[in-house]
Amino acid sequence: DGGITQSPKYLFRKEGQNVTLSCEQNLNHDAMYWYRQDPGQGLRLIYYSQIVNDFQKGDIAEGYSVSREKKESFPLTVTSAQKNPTAFYLCASSIDQTDTQYFGPGTRLTVL
Amino acid sequence: AQTVTQSQPEMSVQEAETVTLSCTYDTSENNYYLFWYKQPPSRQMILVIRQEAYKQQNATENRFSVNFQKAAKSFSLKISDSQLGDTAMYFCAFMDNNAGNMLTFGGGTRLMVKP
Repeated sequence: DGGITQSPKYLFRKEGQNVTLSCEQNLNHDAMYWYRQDPGQGLRLIYYSQIVNDFQKGDIAEGYSVSREKKESFPLTVTSAQKNPTAFYLCASSIDQTDTQYFGPGTRLTVL
Repeated sequence: AQTVTQSQPEMSVQEAETVTLSCTYDTSENNYYLFWYKQPPSRQMILVIRQEAYKQQNATENRFSVNFQKAAKSFSLKISDSQLGDTAMYFCAFMDNNAGNMLTFGGGTRLMVKP
């Protein structure tokens, strides 16, 4: 099946620890994105990548880092510098930068 | 910077009836795209409908249609023959063709379809 997968579905982290969220797509899409959603709110863009080995900061990039070594993969690391990391994280991809974005199922991150 | 406003935090509708969700946006651009996404309790974002700003014809997808008023910067979603499975959060989103792939989302409208 073609689609976007995110793992794990639920993730728990202790304060001070870095954690990496996985996002993989087999749609042959060039562009990939990471969004954060807080309860009762819309999505905010963290990082995006239009092509392999290139990525750009979104509106709320502080405390996060990404890499894009392969077209299919766009992992997000939540570092200890992120002050309030508990949230729902959604990954998306699109054919190119002007096309519709399609979303993965999300990862719920909770900091204990 | 673009902003997207959804003025109805919550709405409800009886099954089989029609409901309209409102969305307004603010931009100085002429070329852009507008979207409605649905987020059911599973929390996955599902594309409902897409509208290109240069197209005058309103987009439709089965029971879902939009009323796109470019001059008024309004983009409402009409759901006809509402079904229980339509219960979800609905988000309006804006994408500026000149700013690459930045999607700006509204705050969402929670829709409850009642049997």
